[in-house]
This record gives sequence, C-alpha cells and structure tokens, in this order.
Amino acid sequence: GAGVSQSPRYKVAKRGQDVALRCDPISGHVSLFWYQQALGQGPEFLTYFQNEAQLDKSGLPSDRFFAERPEGSVSTLKIQRTQQEDSAVYLCASSLMEVANTGELFFGEGSRLTVL
Amino acid sequence: QKEVEQDPGPLSVPEGAIVSLNCTYSNSAFQYFMWYRQYSRKGPELLMYTYSSGNKEDGRFTAQVDKSSKYISLFIRDSQPSDSATYLCAMSDRGTYKYIFGTGTRLKVLA
Repeated sequence: GAGVSQSPRYKVAKRGQDVALRCDPISGHVSLFWYQQALGQGPEFLTYFQNEAQLDKSGLPSDRFFAERPEGSVSTLKIQRTQQEDSAVYLCASSLMEVANTGELFFGEGSRLTVL
Repeated sequence: QKEVEQDPGPLSVPEGAIVSLNCTYSNSAFQYFMWYRQYSRKGPELLMYTYSSGNKEDGRFTAQVDKSSKYISLFIRDSQPSDSATYLCAMSDRGTYKYIFGTGTRLKVLA
C-alpha cells in the first residue's frame, strides 16, 4: 500500500494479557517510530528504528514494552501484562531519511488499545 | 512547563474565516517544524514541514516560524467545515530524530 498500515485498529485486552501491535511502513522508508497518544494529548515518543536497528527506546514506559523490526521493514510493538494505564492509541510513523528530522514523518491510523 | 505549548481549544469559527493556530516552545535549538491535522479516530496527516525561520505557503495553508520569539503559527484561509479537526504542531532540533508534539488544538468550522 501507499501509506503506513497498522493492525489491529482496535484491541480490547483484559488486564494482565499480552498484546502485539503491527506496523507496516511505507516501502523503502528507513526510519520507523512508535508513538503513544493518550486521549486529548499529542503523540509521545516511544522508540526509534533505523532499518532493523533499534537506536532509541528511551520512551518505552516500562520493561513490559518491547519493540522489534527484525528485517528492517515490518515492526511489532509488544506489551506484556497489560495495565489500565496502557490504554491509548499507539501510532507508527515512518520516514524516508536516515536522520528523520531531514524528512517528514508519515503516520499510520493507529492501534487503539483499551485495557479493562 | 512543557517544551511545546499549544492551546487545546476548542476554537470555533464561521465558514470562510481565517484561522490562526499557534505553538510556543522553550528549546531555542528547535529548527524543524511540522503541522499535522488529525481527524477523530484517525492518524495525524502531515500538512506543512518547515526548516528554521520564515514562511511557507501551500494552497490555503501558511506556516510561519519566528525563532526569535519561539513561536510558530499555521494560518488557514477560507476555512471549510472539512477543516474541522485537531491540529498538532511538532518540532525537533538538529541531529535528533525525536519530534516533540504539542497537545493539539481542536478546530470547529461552522457551516
């Protein structure tokens, strides 16, 4: 597809369950980002990949959050033992350039996670 | 104090009005600025991307950056009901990939 694709669009999990969120970036985009957006807030940085290398994971809220991009294309954000405070929209973005701030970020539609 | 401040609104204007949306920031190192439009339950859509100071125009949209005042603006001319959305500003400094986002301003254009 032409844009960033995320799945599932909506996920409801019981507290304590593990979830996996998938991102398929724009073909050829080197940089991939995960952001978390709480209701009524702007996106907050979680982690950054350049190809398959995870260069920054400083925004991940806890060690229950894990992200990977093994072949430098599709990425998965995994949340273990979900808590209610994990409820948010998880946005994936990709960028053509190796240094993302020399190019635009293109976002997917997001995965809305609700933890009961 | 947040690095990027943005009035959450909502801002209501009549159709055809000129809309001014603004962000202020505290980090003087910021050089890259973007504006996104986000419809309800959708991902952010890039509207404007600017580097350093100055103006950039694209159709009905004009982005302005005033680095001396640490202030950026997005102007929408001849606003339409379809412009009703949340507008997010984002910015970063040289050598980093971390864009810092504002909280977004909700805009309602009334027909």
